[in-house]
Amino acid sequence: DGGITQSPKYLFRKEGQNVTLSCEQNLNHDAMYWYRQDPGQGLRLIYYSQIVNDFQKGDIAEGYSVSREKKESFPLTVTSAQKNPTAFYLCASSITGANSPLHFGNGTRLTVT
Amino acid sequence: SQQGEEDPQALSIQEGENATMNCSYKTSINNLQWYRQNSGRGLVHLILIRSNEREKHSGRLRVTLDTSKKSSSLLITASRAADTASYFCATDAGGNNRLAFGKGNQVVVIP
Repeated sequence: DGGITQSPKYLFRKEGQNVTLSCEQNLNHDAMYWYRQDPGQGLRLIYYSQIVNDFQKGDIAEGYSVSREKKESFPLTVTSAQKNPTAFYLCASSITGANSPLHFGNGTRLTVT
Repeated sequence: SQQGEEDPQALSIQEGENATMNCSYKTSINNLQWYRQNSGRGLVHLILIRSNEREKHSGRLRVTLDTSKKSSSLLITASRAADTASYFCATDAGGNNRLAFGKGNQVVVIP
């Protein structure tokens, strides 16, 4: 079955620690995205990548970092510089980008205390 | 970036009724997409409508696009309890090959 896998589903961290969220896709998609969702809110774009070894900042990139060393993988690191890291994080991919449908993973809920 | 704005924000209907929700955006787009999100899950793509299209159907879903008014509507006919979810519109109005999402519209279908 093709799809996007995000792991873990729930993640708990202490304030001041960096944490990396995993996102893997086997859809052979070029573009990958990270969104953040807060309760009752829409999705806000953190980072996106249109091709391997290249990525761009989204609207709320501060305190986050990414890498795209392989087509299948787009991990997101939430650093201690992120002021309010507790949120639901969604990874997505698409064949070409915004002109094609996005396929989403089931998200990682990060809680930082 | 430009975002779609859905209206109404929340909708509660009886099973079998139709549900209509609207989305407005601010600048020119190439396409507009609708997604569904069940509680605690990822989003699922429903329909993509391009700027040169006016209407599109998929099963019980009907999407319209009015580029002159910069708005779109999603109609769910003969709703079912399983349609209970949040519905988001998204546009490529931000450019740079990225999608910007609205805040979503919560629909509750009462059995």
